[in-house]
Amino acid sequence: NAGVTQTPKFRVLKTGQSMTLLCAQDMNHEYMYWYRQDPGMGLRLIHYSVGEGTTAKGEVPDGYNVSRLKKQNFLLGLESAAPSQTSVYFCASSQTGDYGYTFGSGTRLTVV
Amino acid sequence: AQRVTQPEKLLSVFKGAPVELKCNYSYSGSPELFWYVQYSRQRLQLLLRHISRESIKGFTADLNKGETSFHLKKPFAQEEDSAMYYCALKSAGKLIFGQGTTLQVKP
Repeated sequence: NAGVTQTPKFRVLKTGQSMTLLCAQDMNHEYMYWYRQDPGMGLRLIHYSVGEGTTAKGEVPDGYNVSRLKKQNFLLGLESAAPSQTSVYFCASSQTGDYGYTFGSGTRLTVV
Repeated sequence: AQRVTQPEKLLSVFKGAPVELKCNYSYSGSPELFWYVQYSRQRLQLLLRHISRESIKGFTADLNKGETSFHLKKPFAQEEDSAMYYCALKSAGKLIFGQGTTLQVKP
């Protein structure tokens, strides 16, 4: 039982490049979330999903897009990476949207 | 606006000393608050929630609606408590996190 798996774990991008971060959960959770973690800023919600085929904007959605075509997967896309998107990205899932979040191990992204 | 504030970036104490990690919130309505912890090289995990009024690993947190606070306390810190601690507020199916406080417990 893997829980929440994020790929890749590390990535370096050049400014302007695009990439997709994958989050996969095997707990049949309805809710999934993407956060970014920055020093002094804590965890900020980028986008989230309350079920297959749904997405919603969080606190800092600009520059990111998401898709939830399958219940178990939540993809985060960067169309044109910028240095300001250098961060650690965490995915989480929850059955009820309540407190019981299961987090992934994170993806460390550097944009140069 | 809904907001969670953790005023201290770093809290450094000696082993055996009391610990209080501060958390203040802004929320219109009846809040539900949580503490999450991230140990070195581990995933973020739930430590405790105010509704259950439980004590986990010796930590407790009391919701004070008058002061809009949810401070995390432990009477005697241990070295293994060193970690990043996040206070979080439940809002419409998602959690709003504070900035986080790094707790450093020195031997």
